Amino acid sequence: EAQVTQNPRYLITVTGKKLTVTCSQNMNHEYMSWYRQDPGLGLRQIYYSMNVEVTDKGDVPEGYKVSRKEKRNFPLILESPSPNQTSLYFCASSPLARSTDTQYFGPGTRLTVL
Amino acid sequence: GQSLEQPSEVTAVEGAIVQINCTYQTSGFYGLSWYQQHDGGAPTFLSYNALDGLEETGRFSSFLSRSDSYGYLLLQELQMKDSASYFCAAAPGANNLFFGTGTRLTVIP
Repeated sequence: EAQVTQNPRYLITVTGKKLTVTCSQNMNHEYMSWYRQDPGLGLRQIYYSMNVEVTDKGDVPEGYKVSRKEKRNFPLILESPSPNQTSLYFCASSPLARSTDTQYFGPGTRLTVL
Repeated sequence: GQSLEQPSEVTAVEGAIVQINCTYQTSGFYGLSWYQQHDGGAPTFLSYNALDGLEETGRFSSFLSRSDSYGYLLLQELQMKDSASYFCAAAPGANNLFFGTGTRLTVIP
């Protein structure tokens, strides 16, 4: 089944404890992106990647890191999480190397930082 | 900066037609997308307009006017399952995407 998977789906952690949220797609898509969703703010783009080893900042990149060593994986790294990073996170991918193409979203990761 | 404005809530009757508007202000513009999100679910793609005019996909249509920095999503023959949040998203460049804050559509019998 063609899909975008994220792990974990739920995570409660404490301030300062490094964590990684994994994202994987099995559709050979070029473009991948991370978003956070907060009430009243909609979805905001954190980072995106046009292809392997090509990443760039979105609207709200502070406090996050990403890597794209393989085409299928695009992990989101929080080196020192803070409570203001408590949010619902979505990974997305699209077939072509552009944001305007159909983006397929993963199921989301609900992160709570205490 | 980038900004997209859409109504926060809309209520409509089953079987009716509803239009959700979106006005945008971006540093560049490649096109306008629409996504649907049910409570507890992930966003799903509905449509994309790069050029002025109307794009139709089944019961859903999307319109863009680049000169007015305006677009809308039109939902016809509303069904209860259409109750969801709808987001417009503008692409200032080919690589990034900015979403509006969403319109919560409630369909009533």
